[in-house]
Amino acid sequence: GNSVTQMEGPVTLSEEAFLTINCTYTATGYPSLFWYVQYPGEGLQLLLKATKADDKGSNKGFEATYRKETTSFHLEKGSVQVSDSAVYFCALGLSSGSARQLTFGSGTQLTVLP
Amino acid sequence: DGGITQSPKYLFRKEGQNVTLSCEQNLNHDAMYWYRQDPGQGLRLIYYSQIVNDFQKGDIAEGYSVSREKKESFPLTVTSAQKNPTAFYLCASRTGTGNQYEQYFGPGTRLTVT
Repeated sequence: GNSVTQMEGPVTLSEEAFLTINCTYTATGYPSLFWYVQYPGEGLQLLLKATKADDKGSNKGFEATYRKETTSFHLEKGSVQVSDSAVYFCALGLSSGSARQLTFGSGTQLTVLP
Repeated sequence: DGGITQSPKYLFRKEGQNVTLSCEQNLNHDAMYWYRQDPGQGLRLIYYSQIVNDFQKGDIAEGYSVSREKKESFPLTVTSAQKNPTAFYLCASRTGTGNQYEQYFGPGTRLTVT
């Protein structure tokens, strides 16, 4: 079946530190990959996505590269801010069939200290 | 502004009562989804609908029911048969086709059953 494994949290960093959150996946077929962010008490917001191997998604200083050879989609940011404190979810979606439902990882809590 | 509305934000019910969670979208999306989120876990799919008057069970449909009478609306009923209904419920809709698609999420409803 399809699954997503995320780096366990929580992760605590100082402001301006480098961030990596690991994400690996198992999928039948060729998935699209997503990173979502969830701020306390809110819904999920799409942060970035990649739809094929070697694609790089980027947004707000965050980046992730779709690596088919290692089945990974690690999230990185060069210099985190306090406002980046949130829960980050990696997800995959398959376009075969019409449902295009998403399979989520368990989330990684990030806290950035001033 | 286009978006997804979920109401209420917080909902309290007594055990044994059915409760309906509202989800409305004005994005003109055909597909809509309901997810459940428990603390420290990823999202799990309850039901989804790809067109009006049609819906499919997700991974954890037992104890839940849905309807899709209008494109804009996809209400979720949590029945008394759901053994552990206390959770954060998220509604989403999807845009795009092929492998170019995105899911957009509402702000969520936190249901507490005592």
